[in-house]
Amino acid sequence: QKEVEQNSGPLSVPEGAIASLNCTYSDRVSQSFFWYRQYSGKSPELIMSIYSNGDKEDGRFTAQLNKASQYVSLLIRDSQPSDSATYLCAVIWGNYGQNFVFGPGTRLSVLP
Amino acid sequence: NAGVTQTPKFQVLKTGQSMTLQCAQDMNHNSMYWYRQDPGMGLRLIYYSASEGTTDKGEVPNGYNVSRLNKREFSLRLESAAPSQTSVYFCASSEIGRTSGLYEQYFGPGTRLTVT
Repeated sequence: QKEVEQNSGPLSVPEGAIASLNCTYSDRVSQSFFWYRQYSGKSPELIMSIYSNGDKEDGRFTAQLNKASQYVSLLIRDSQPSDSATYLCAVIWGNYGQNFVFGPGTRLSVLP
Repeated sequence: NAGVTQTPKFQVLKTGQSMTLQCAQDMNHNSMYWYRQDPGMGLRLIYYSASEGTTDKGEVPNGYNVSRLNKREFSLRLESAAPSQTSVYFCASSEIGRTSGLYEQYFGPGTRLTVT
């Protein structure tokens, strides 16, 4: 059974701080990793994807991948109240075709 | 481009009733998906279609059927609704992103289904 785990939160950070969201996955035969943001009552929206070990930066977002330790994280710099949402981690497994397996999500609250 | 559209947005069914959820995408994607989302459970895959004419079961297919009508449309049918199927249903499509080189998945707005 492929599993993706996340701390459900809520994770509360003050405005302007760095928010750090973590995700672990159960199988080393994984291919690609994704972070989605989901506002309450809305659909998930892709914000970052990463394939190689190391860091990938896009604006205020940095995705970090460590395949040896089987975790992927998302850092949000200069957090804003508009970043308050649930963040979903997703993994495509190497032998699972194009199937995305999602974690349960972490709820982030950025306090003004 | 409208992206991924779903109908209806809301639906209330009685136990045993049937209905079809419609999904269409205008991005010319080959892959399409149906998920359900329940509190604390994340998104769980019901069925997916890698291309027109093919469908495969996901993690939670029992009680559902799908039809990939053409490249644009992928419908989900509940033949005999049960209270356990009360959920939010999302349709999605995916294709390899031009800049990332990875599969990028786009979601429709969702259908909120209540079965009483």
